[in-house]
Amino acid sequence: GAGVSQSPSNKVTEKGKDVELRCDPISGHTALYWYRQSLGQGLEFLIYFQGNSAPDKSGLPSDRFSAERTGGSVSTLTIQRTQQEDSAVYLCASSLRRGSASEAFFGQGTRLTVV
Amino acid sequence: DQQVKQNSPSLSVQEGRISILNCDYTNSMFDYFLWYKKYPAEGPTFLISISSIKDKNEDGRFTVFLNKSAKHLSLHIVPSQPGDSAVYFCAASNSGGSNYKLTFGKGTLLTVNP
Repeated sequence: GAGVSQSPSNKVTEKGKDVELRCDPISGHTALYWYRQSLGQGLEFLIYFQGNSAPDKSGLPSDRFSAERTGGSVSTLTIQRTQQEDSAVYLCASSLRRGSASEAFFGQGTRLTVV
Repeated sequence: DQQVKQNSPSLSVQEGRISILNCDYTNSMFDYFLWYKKYPAEGPTFLISISSIKDKNEDGRFTVFLNKSAKHLSLHIVPSQPGDSAVYFCAASNSGGSNYKLTFGKGTLLTVNP
């Protein structure tokens, strides 16, 4: 596809279950970002991948959160033992140039609801 | 502790008039500022940015002003159009040339009435 694709678009899960959110960046984009937006809040940085470099995980809120980027392309954000406060829209973005958020294209997001 | 604040949750203006969206920040280390526009059920799209070495940046109908001493920036849209109706997010970074870790405000919902 032409844009950043995220799946699923909506996910409802029970508290305590694990979830995986997927991001397909734009082909050729080396930089990939995950953000989340909780209700009534601004976007919150989670993690940044750049090529084969070690990711910047400084925004992950707890050790229940992890992310991978396989082969420099698809990324998966995993939340273990989900809690109600994890409910948010999780947004993925990618850019051609490293660290260039102004050139990043965002996906439509995955709305996660933990019940 | 909110480092980027957009104190107006919503703003309504008439088509053809000026829209002014405001943003305040508290972290003096921020050196790069961006505005994003977001339509419902879509991801944010980049609109315009400004480096801390400038006080104004203009792109068509959109102008961003930065007042470093007041830690304040604003986005002006002139003339406003109904298609500008969206949520506008202000964002900032202190990453120097590597602007991937952005701090966002909560957003302002702009409604432009025909």
